[in-house]
Amino acid sequence: AQSVTQLGSHVSVSEGALVLLRCNYSSSVPPYLFWYVQYPNQGLQLLLKYTTGATLVKGINGFEAEFKKSETSFHLTKPSAHMSDAAEYFCAVSDGSNRDDKIIFGKGTRLHILP
Amino acid sequence: SQTIHQWPATLVQPVGSPLSLECTVEGTSNPNLYWYRQAAGRGLQLLFYSVGIGQISSEVPQNLSASRPQDRQFILSSKKLLLSDSGFYLCAWKARAGELFFGEGSRLTVL
Repeated sequence: AQSVTQLGSHVSVSEGALVLLRCNYSSSVPPYLFWYVQYPNQGLQLLLKYTTGATLVKGINGFEAEFKKSETSFHLTKPSAHMSDAAEYFCAVSDGSNRDDKIIFGKGTRLHILP
Repeated sequence: SQTIHQWPATLVQPVGSPLSLECTVEGTSNPNLYWYRQAAGRGLQLLFYSVGIGQISSEVPQNLSASRPQDRQFILSSKKLLLSDSGFYLCAWKARAGELFFGEGSRLTVL
């Protein structure tokens, strides 16, 4: 069974500073990994995903994440935070072989941007 | 292109009343469909998923049920709501590449 742990329910960074949101996963099979963003009272929007191939994945809005199998991590980064990045971010994992159709989410990290 | 719609967007219901939330997908056929519930500080909890008409998998024993009467329709129901059923409910469909696409969400308040 898969699981996801997001370290830090709240993260605050200054505008222009590096954003780092941490995600560790557990999976008995090669995983598919995802990051989603949620703005208040809206559904989730896909930021980026890792399935196979290149371990550094680039997404929308300047975000990227790196799949590190040895560390079972998929941390999300952005070099320079913008006020519009304030939102809640969710990491998710699924069975890459698609034998299991479940997609499991972490508890989320709320990102605050300080002016 | 594919779209997904949920309704109603907001709902206030008394304890013990029934519930029906509806989700429809357009622009794709035979999608995997999902219902998640989001409560503050608890992330997204997978409630039900469906790989086809009439096929429902339940993840958490609870007061809710789901049905898929048509290929692109997914319904979340309850016969008698509890206070603990309050939350933000999200429907999603799964693309071939594995990612989920979410509806706008339905906020349920049980009083």
